[in-house]
Formats: sequence, C-alpha cells, structure tokens
Amino acid sequence: SQKIEQNSEALNIQEGKTATLTCNYTNYSPAYLQWYRQDPGRGPVFLLLIRENEKEKRKERLKVTFDTTLKQSLFHITASQPADSATYLCALDYRGNTPLVFGKGTRLSVIA
Amino acid sequence: EADIYQTPRYLVIGTGKKITLECSQTMGHDKMYWYQQDPGMELHLIHYSYGVNSTEKGDLSSESTVSRIRTEHFPLTLESARPSHTSQYLCASRVAGGNNEQFFGPGTRLTVL
Repeated sequence: SQKIEQNSEALNIQEGKTATLTCNYTNYSPAYLQWYRQDPGRGPVFLLLIRENEKEKRKERLKVTFDTTLKQSLFHITASQPADSATYLCALDYRGNTPLVFGKGTRLSVIA
Repeated sequence: EADIYQTPRYLVIGTGKKITLECSQTMGHDKMYWYQQDPGMELHLIHYSYGVNSTEKGDLSSESTVSRIRTEHFPLTLESARPSHTSQYLCASRVAGGNNEQFFGPGTRLTVL
C-alpha cells in the first residue's frame, strides 16, 4: 500500500526564517499533491495543490515543489511568523475514485 | 469559510449508548468522508461515500456505520459507544474528480465515559 512520510513530527524555527517541510512517498506518484494546515481542535484547511507535471507552485509566502523522480514534495513558508505555527499535512491525490492519502503531519512552531 | 457543518460539536455520553454524529454540506459535493483523529495524531479514514446510496469502509476498522440518503447529509452512527471511541470525528467533502481541495467540518469531540 502507499506510504507517505513527513520529515519530522515537529519543527521549531525563528521568526523571519524560512520553514521547509518535507513529504516523501513510496510506490507510484499521485496526479496531484495537496498541502493542508491544521490548528489544534479544528479541521484541516486547504492551502495549495500542485500537479505532477508542475515543478513549483507559489501563493503569497508559500511555495511548494514536487519532484516525481525523488518522490518528494517540499513546502516552504518564507518570512515565517508566529501565526504560522500549526500542523501541516501533505496529501496524495490520485486519479479515479480513491480518497486522499494524508501524511501524519509536521507540527511547526515559529518562535518570536 | 467552508459550508460544511457538524453537530454536536461536543458530546459526553455513557458506555453503551447509541449516538449519531451529523454532517451536512451545502456545496453539492458528491464525495463525503469521515475521519477519526486523536489529539496530536494522524487522520484515520473510517468511512466515505461517492454519492447517494454509496458507502465504503475506510482504512481504520470501525464499529460505526454511515448512510447517504441525500447528497448533502452523511451521518455517522455508533450503535453502542465505548470509551475506546473517545476521539475527534471530522467530516469532509469534495467535488467529484481529482484536482480539487477537500473541505473539512469543525469536528465533533466525543467523550465516552
């Protein structure tokens, strides 16, 4: 079955630095890869989607890359702020009628 | 703000009770999902549906059941609640086809005593 790994359970960085989160998967590549943000006690919220034929996608301070050769996606938050502190989930999105496959998430703490 | 609603938001009940967690969405989405998530832990898919009268079991073995009689409504029922069912339950929906974001409800925090 498909396995998805996010680099670490927790990541602490200083305010103003760039946070980089990693999502690795095994087996076959998805058609799309999605990133979500989850705050404690709340449901995840969609942030970005990148297609298999796209190398990079940006949205404001967020940047996602997708390397199907390495079977890896990187999620960057530039000029990080304490308000960016949350858990970030990656999800694999395959064509056809299969549910999204979510990673366990990385808990990001941005320290002022 | 996503148009997906869950009730109740919090529920404390005794062992052996039958409960139904409600989930409704007003976006006309065909795909709906139920997840179980303990604090600080990963999401576990327990049930999903791709349309009216369609339901499938997810990855996590569950003693719950679901029904999909209307597109907008996807309730989850526990016939006999146990302390091991204590968790957060998240409902989600999505447009059919790939390349689309998934919308999550606010969740129901269930405590079984």
